[in-house]
Amino acid sequence: DAEITQSPRHKITETGRQVTLACHQTWNHNNMFWYRQDLGHGLRLIHYSYGVQDTNKGEVSDGYSVSRSNTEDLPLTLESAASSQTSVYFCASSNSGGSDTQYFGPGTRLTVL
Amino acid sequence: GENVEQHPSTLSVQEGDSAVIKCTYSDSASNYFPWYKQELGKGPQLIIDIRSNVGEKKDQRIAVTLNKTAKHFSLHITETQPEDSAVYFCAASMNSGGYQKVTFGTGTKLQVIP
Repeated sequence: DAEITQSPRHKITETGRQVTLACHQTWNHNNMFWYRQDLGHGLRLIHYSYGVQDTNKGEVSDGYSVSRSNTEDLPLTLESAASSQTSVYFCASSNSGGSDTQYFGPGTRLTVL
Repeated sequence: GENVEQHPSTLSVQEGDSAVIKCTYSDSASNYFPWYKQELGKGPQLIIDIRSNVGEKKDQRIAVTLNKTAKHFSLHITETQPEDSAVYFCAASMNSGGYQKVTFGTGTKLQVIP
């Protein structure tokens, strides 16, 4: 079955370190998204991509970057981790062919000490 | 941009009772409204959705209603069961530059008391 996976599921890092969170989908979806989830804020969009080599900033993109070199993967990089980036991160994908449904991964809990 | 407000933030109901979660949106261009259920430690999962050309949609114990004039939509769960306990998110989606842009509500934590 097609799925979307994230790794690692849990990560503890130190302030200032570079961290990369992986997202891999086998739906063959063109669209991929990264969200962070914090209490009281719901899901906030960090970056998104509508296809290979395409990346766009979301509402909370500062301190994050993404790259899209193939259809299946959209890694999220925290250039220099900050304590404010402690959060749960979700990757999602959707089909650009008309269905707007986003399918979410299981999430990565990131703690920045 | 689009703004989605969701109420209540927490909801407790007795098993067997109904639960209603309400959302409002600001941009009349929004045309697709999905609802997601998030269980503890998992990602959100789509449970039902509705498009702007439909006023109501049902799927067993779950129903969604949409009032385009008032710009609000609601999730109704009947005969609630303990396994319905979760966080529920509404969302509003619109076409922006040829792509669909989705805005989520802040979530409702539903607790079903056995």
